[in-house]
Amino acid sequence: DAGVIQSPRHEVTEMGQEVTLRCKPISGHDYLFWYRQTMMRGLELLIYFNNNVPIDDSGMPEDRFSAKMPNASFSTLKIQPSEPRDSAVYFCASSLVLRDLDTEAFFGQGTRLTVV
Amino acid sequence: LAKTTQPISMDSYEGQEVNITCSHNNIATNDYITWYQQFPSQGPRFIIQGYKTKVTNEVASLFIPADRKSSTLSLPRVSLSDTAVYYCLCNNNDMRFGAGTRLTVKP
Repeated sequence: DAGVIQSPRHEVTEMGQEVTLRCKPISGHDYLFWYRQTMMRGLELLIYFNNNVPIDDSGMPEDRFSAKMPNASFSTLKIQPSEPRDSAVYFCASSLVLRDLDTEAFFGQGTRLTVV
Repeated sequence: LAKTTQPISMDSYEGQEVNITCSHNNIATNDYITWYQQFPSQGPRFIIQGYKTKVTNEVASLFIPADRKSSTLSLPRVSLSDTAVYYCLCNNNDMRFGAGTRLTVKP
């Protein structure tokens, strides 16, 4: 397996535009996580899915952020409208299980978003 | 949810053993302790996981005392390439990361 694949790797957009980040988890993994990382706030969990169903979205900063997982092999994180303070690296991760030993989350390479 | 506390930063020199301790006073009975490593411009990477006593793999050792209120990640003979941020998680039902420990290995 190629691991968790995120696209694009870099995105530069203007304030007010819609941004869509994409993630393909590892095949067979039941859990998918979206994170945001900044120097000021560190690595924040935004939302996670189990079997394509959102379980905890308490980390989503506001209504401008939305995430979907239409099937087991694809998820999107959308920001509409984008703002300069959304500039960060966004990571997607997937894992086979969440509660057992040998739980290991695999992270993608991240998408570096810059909103100007 | 168990909150974890780690030192913000640590410095070491090549060839030394490094021990990073994490406090998790309110760890739940069914929580596992997991450590991740993150290099600049990369996502975190799993290092080691344990429940109690000692766990060792090819990368590190994890020491967990009987009360499980803390854990220590031990990196033997570090090299410059071990410079990274190390995160401790108590993650039976949560994948939230704390601030981590920024380890700098000097020549």
